[in-house]
Amino acid sequence: EIVLTQSPATLSLSPGERATLSCRASQSVSNYLAWYQQKPGQAPRLLIYDASNRATGIPARFSGSGSGTDFTLTISSLEPEDFAVYYCQQRSNWPFTFGPGTKVDI
Amino acid sequence: QVQLVQSGAEVKKPGASVKVSCRASGYTFTSYNMHWVRQAPGQRLEWMGRINAGNGNTKYSQNFQGRVTISRDTSASSAFMELNSLRSEDTAVYYCARGHYPSGDYFDYWGQGTLVTVCS
Repeated sequence: EIVLTQSPATLSLSPGERATLSCRASQSVSNYLAWYQQKPGQAPRLLIYDASNRATGIPARFSGSGSGTDFTLTISSLEPEDFAVYYCQQRSNWPFTFGPGTKVDI
Repeated sequence: QVQLVQSGAEVKKPGASVKVSCRASGYTFTSYNMHWVRQAPGQRLEWMGRINAGNGNTKYSQNFQGRVTISRDTSASSAFMELNSLRSEDTAVYYCARGHYPSGDYFDYWGQGTLVTVCS
């Protein structure tokens, strides 16, 4: 099973600042990685798929990069609604797995 | 608009089974995979398995050791997840999630979640 680790666990920032979140895989997942945003009491929302493609309706301030084992989600300028938990997920190997999440808070 | 509506919360005793339903609308049900993902309190998301809603083929996470069965009813545009031999560690919110086109294995629309509580 591919293990995903995320860092940092918590990121404390202010609106308008840039957020950089990291996801590392225990073995190569090529570019088969997605990012999700989850707010309390809600289901996750797909942000990025195949490492760098924005999902439908996702603002341009969200961008993804990386391949192989190291990936980054960048939020260029935080909006108040962006404070949430972010998860990465790989679909390279069964079973699909998620990272532990990074909480972005104020 | 795409909607996935799940059945309500359940309370079960250890050793029992639970079956959660997910009714889809707003798209052609048989054209997409449907996945099941759970989230235990304070834990990361955990993928359980998926069904090809068109041909009914399934794939499961081996982490559930044969305890999970995913099925679908195309006439009702619904998918189902049954988990057997429940234990306290199965207490979680269970989500159905549509497979994102074209890969089928990211999750672009999610149900509202169903809380399953296992306690004696």
